[in-house]
Amino acid sequence: GAVVSQHPSWVICKSGTSVKIECRSLDFQATTMFWYRQFPKQSLMLMATSNEGSKATYEQGVEKDKFLINHASLTLSTLTVTSAHPEDSSFYICSARAGTSGSPFVDEQYFGPGTRLTVT
Amino acid sequence: AQKITQTQPGMFVQEKEAVTLDCTYDTSDQSYGLFWYKQPSSGEMIFLIYQGSYDEQNATEGRYSLNFQKARKSANLVISASQLGDSAMYFCAMRELPYGQNFVFGPGTRLSVLP
Repeated sequence: GAVVSQHPSWVICKSGTSVKIECRSLDFQATTMFWYRQFPKQSLMLMATSNEGSKATYEQGVEKDKFLINHASLTLSTLTVTSAHPEDSSFYICSARAGTSGSPFVDEQYFGPGTRLTVT
Repeated sequence: AQKITQTQPGMFVQEKEAVTLDCTYDTSDQSYGLFWYKQPSSGEMIFLIYQGSYDEQNATEGRYSLNFQKARKSANLVISASQLGDSAMYFCAMRELPYGQNFVFGPGTRLSVLP
């Protein structure tokens, strides 16, 4: 299957600083990428949908000024957590849409390995 | 709105035995896809199996099979011949079709395989 990478895989930062997480599709072009957040012992929750060349669409309750998403190319989307606080500590996972498969109606989406953010 | 329910927070199974992980869903969409993912402690999401709402036959992938009962809105995952490496979190997820929609995940079931 297609490969999606995330960088860094884990990061520790101090409260009040900003941190950038990259999501790259390595062997395909992704017009759409999704950003999910997973708190400990919980499920994945969609934060935002990122389309190349346009503004991201944020889910209700997600602060767009705090979680800046930039999808500047067909292979790269970035999530910047600005002025991070301990409550932002979480596992952030992206998924990238690879286009349609042989099955009708289905597009293929691939997850990155995730980034574990700890804010101290 | 779509919703996924997994009523088993944790499950235990003896090695080499079969186990069924429950998943029910709610949607008003006519076209949707149902997925199962495995998440080991490393955090990566590993795709296991897919079932389309229009597929008449239950999906199978090696030791994984999906028991799809559309009228009951259930999509249970069956793992045959459990292995120690199957111990992980398992998420049932749904996506509206056609293309380009995000996943909606259930709360997950933690499976522990006992030697």
